[in-house]
Order: sequence, then C-alpha cells, then structure tokens
Amino acid sequence: NAGVMQNPRHLVRRRGQEARLRCSPMKGHSHVYWYRQLPEEGLKFMVYLQKENIIDESGMPKERFSAEFPKEGPSILRIQQVVRGDSAAYFCASSPPGQGGVGEQYFGPGTRLTVT
Amino acid sequence: SQQGEEDPQALSIQEGENATMNCSYKTSINNLQWYRQNSGRGLVHLILIRSNEREKHSGRLRVTLDTSKKSSSLLITASRAADTASYFCATGDSSYKLIFGSGTRLLVRP
Repeated sequence: NAGVMQNPRHLVRRRGQEARLRCSPMKGHSHVYWYRQLPEEGLKFMVYLQKENIIDESGMPKERFSAEFPKEGPSILRIQQVVRGDSAAYFCASSPPGQGGVGEQYFGPGTRLTVT
Repeated sequence: SQQGEEDPQALSIQEGENATMNCSYKTSINNLQWYRQNSGRGLVHLILIRSNEREKHSGRLRVTLDTSKKSSSLLITASRAADTASYFCATGDSSYKLIFGSGTRLLVRP
C-alpha cells in the first residue's frame, strides 16, 4: 500500500524557469492538499483540491502559482517564472473521501525546490 | 497567521529522559494533531486528539488538550536517540485546513 508519492524529490531551477511538482495521493484518497515549508518554519497551507476541482486556493499566491488535480493522473503544482523566494520544500498530503481534512492527512516526502 | 505556536523552540535531553513540548493556539478547533519531521524528510502523523478529548496515549506518547487554555502538550517518555526530530502541532477546524506551528526541534543525546 504505497503512501503519498511526490516527484521529483529535488528540483533545481534558474530564475525565470517553470517548476512542475507532482503528487500522487494514497490509493483511494480523493482529497489533495499542498503545503509549503520555508527553512526552520512550519508548513503553510497553499491549496486544497478534489478531483477536477479546486476547493480552496486561499493560501496560494495569486500570480505565477497554479494547481490542478485531473480526473486521471497526479496532482500538479506549477510555478511559473520562479524567483529565489520560491525556494522551499513543497509537501503534498491526501485524505480519504468523506473526511475532508478534519482528520489525519497523509504526507508525502516533499519536493525541495532550489531556485538559483 | 500562525495558529499553533510550539514551546520550546528547541529542546536537548539525554536518552531515557522525558521530553515535553507545548502548543498554544488562538481560535476554536475541531482537532489538534502532532506530527514528527526528521531532518530533510516528510511529516509523520503521530496522534490526533479531538476537541472533546482531554488526553490520549499512543505507545510512549501522551497528548493532553486543554481547550479552555487553548493549549496542548506532547510528552515523549523514555526518549531514544531515534526520537531526534522536529515536532509540529497542527490544528484543524470544521474545514479541511491544517494550520501548523513553527515546531520544536528535539535533540536526544545518546
């Protein structure tokens, strides 16, 4: 029973390039959450998605960032024209249907983005 | 804004001792969860305590919740070197978001 999978684990991008982060939730989970963690800080909520729907993107910067969770395939967090301040660890979490986040969320290993 | 704030920010203890970490939060909650993060790794869920519960145990972990004081504590008994990690509390309300604190970095010296 594979857990939440994220890839790549490490991503290096130059300023101005695009970063694409992928997340495959646990089998049977239909809720996906993305969080960002800056060094020495806790995780900050970015966006909550269900299949083909963005439920809440209030934690996501309005420009350059977008997220999707298509009917088939992984959830994608896309950062366009990356800047050095985007350097962080990005974590994906999932939860089963019907729980909606009021219970445990299962976290992936994260993608560490470095912008040079 | 930050919901949970952990205290202390860093804790260093000898193997075998108990470690206590505290978390305070600001608004009403549905549940409070504790997670562990080893350096450079993802988060591992430790324990969830609901707002109508006062205490919960899981192995060497004991969590208390005082909703009147808006605070929680995590006690790790008989600590081991492998417990060295950062520990985060996260609060959940009636929605889906988890609001994380800034964490306590625990070092257990062998």
